[in-house]
Amino acid sequence: DQQVKQNSPSLSVQEGRISILNCDYTNSMFDYFLWYKKYPAEGPTFLISISSIKDKNEDGRFTVFLNKSAKHLSLHIVPSQPGDSAVYFCAASELGNQGGKLIFGQGTELSVKP
Amino acid sequence: DGGITQSPKYLFRKEGQNVTLSCEQNLNHDAMYWYRQDPGQGLRLIYYSQIVNDFQKGDIAEGYSVSREKKESFPLTVTSAQKNPTAFYLCASRYWMNTEAFFGQGTRLTVV
Repeated sequence: DQQVKQNSPSLSVQEGRISILNCDYTNSMFDYFLWYKKYPAEGPTFLISISSIKDKNEDGRFTVFLNKSAKHLSLHIVPSQPGDSAVYFCAASELGNQGGKLIFGQGTELSVKP
Repeated sequence: DGGITQSPKYLFRKEGQNVTLSCEQNLNHDAMYWYRQDPGQGLRLIYYSQIVNDFQKGDIAEGYSVSREKKESFPLTVTSAQKNPTAFYLCASRYWMNTEAFFGQGTRLTVV
C-alpha cells in the first residue's frame, strides 16, 4: 500500500518557467512533509519542509503548498533553472507510535531545458 | 565535519553470502534509517531506529537485519534470505521527528 504517491514519473519545463511537482498521501496521521532532490548514484539532499499546521512554506525559489483536506502537497520552483534537473522525492512522517517512520514517494524526474 | 558516512561505495558479493553495510553519523541524531532504491523506483524503507537498542521494521524488512548498539552506528546486514539484494542502499539520520533527514552517499550492492 503506497502511502505517499507521486503520480508523474517525469516533467519537462522550459528554463525560466514554473515547475510544479505534485504529491498525494493517504495517511491522515502524517503531519510533517519534506521534499528532496536527488542525482543518480548520490544520496538525496533536503530542499524544503512543511508542518501540517501550515499550508505554505517558502524558501527562495522553492515553495511547498499543503492541502490537508485533499491530502495533497506540491512543490513550486520559480524560475526553473537547468541545474534544477534531477529526481524530486516527497516524503512524510507522523507523530504517535509510528512517529519515527519516514515514507517516500516514487519520485518525479524534472528536466529543465535551456 | 559533521555528516553521515556509508561504506563501502561499491560492494560485490556472491549469491548466498551475507553482507553488512556500514552507516555512521556524527551529527548526534537520534533516528536512523535504511532505504533501498531500485532502478526507476522510489526509496523503500527497510528498517528504522529511533533510539539505541531499539529498531522497527519498515515496508520491506524481509531478508534484512540491523542493530543499533551505539547512537552513531546503524549497520545493515543483507542476508542470503533476501531474494533480490542487488540495489542502491541509502542510510539517513535525523535529530527527531519533524526535522529533516540527512542522507549518506549510498552503497551500490551487486550480488553475482
